[in-house]
Amino acid sequence: EAGVAQSPRYKIIEKRQSVAFWCNPISGHATLYWYQQILGQGPKLLIQFQNNGVVDDSQLPKDRFSAERLKGVDSTLKIQPAKLEDSAVYLCASINTGTSGEQYFGPGTRLTVT
Amino acid sequence: QQQVKQSPQSLIVQKGGISIINCAYENTAFDYFPWYQQFPGKGPALLIAIRPDVSEKKEGRFTISFNKSAKQFSLHIMDSQPGDSATYFCAFRSGNTPLVFGKGTRLSVIA
Repeated sequence: EAGVAQSPRYKIIEKRQSVAFWCNPISGHATLYWYQQILGQGPKLLIQFQNNGVVDDSQLPKDRFSAERLKGVDSTLKIQPAKLEDSAVYLCASINTGTSGEQYFGPGTRLTVT
Repeated sequence: QQQVKQSPQSLIVQKGGISIINCAYENTAFDYFPWYQQFPGKGPALLIAIRPDVSEKKEGRFTISFNKSAKQFSLHIMDSQPGDSATYFCAFRSGNTPLVFGKGTRLSVIA
């Protein structure tokens, strides 16, 4: 079974620029999450999708962050405009709620905003 | 919102020793308690998980001990090896809600 795929793995941008991250979850996983992990901290949830609908985006800074999962499979997370404090690893995870409930993470995208 | 308290922040253990990491939680509705292991440059990976109907679960060298009344649970790594050096996160979930993670413990196992 292929894991959660993310791209790019690394991105360096200047503040006020925009950036987009892509995630392909494990096949058949209806639930997808985006997390932000700042260096030295645990992952913090940004948004949760169930199929192509948003379940929880209460922690998403909506003035600059947006995310979509148009066909209920792949998802993109966008930041526009980026701030220095957005420097972090952005993790995508998926879960098959019909089985053990194990949550699988992708390798993450390390974003550096200069 | 501090729902999870993980300690210690960092831990150095001799090879062959026992590593112990603790987590305390506040929300009694949590019903799933996993531990994740994260190596540098990688995403977190599930190590072991427990549900509140059991007090202990062992998988190889890794054991979760769960104290429901104290709202605490811990990860024990027996015979710690240098390859266990990583950051460990406890996490919690209630039903189908997203996982809430602790701040992590950086474990270093030295020879």
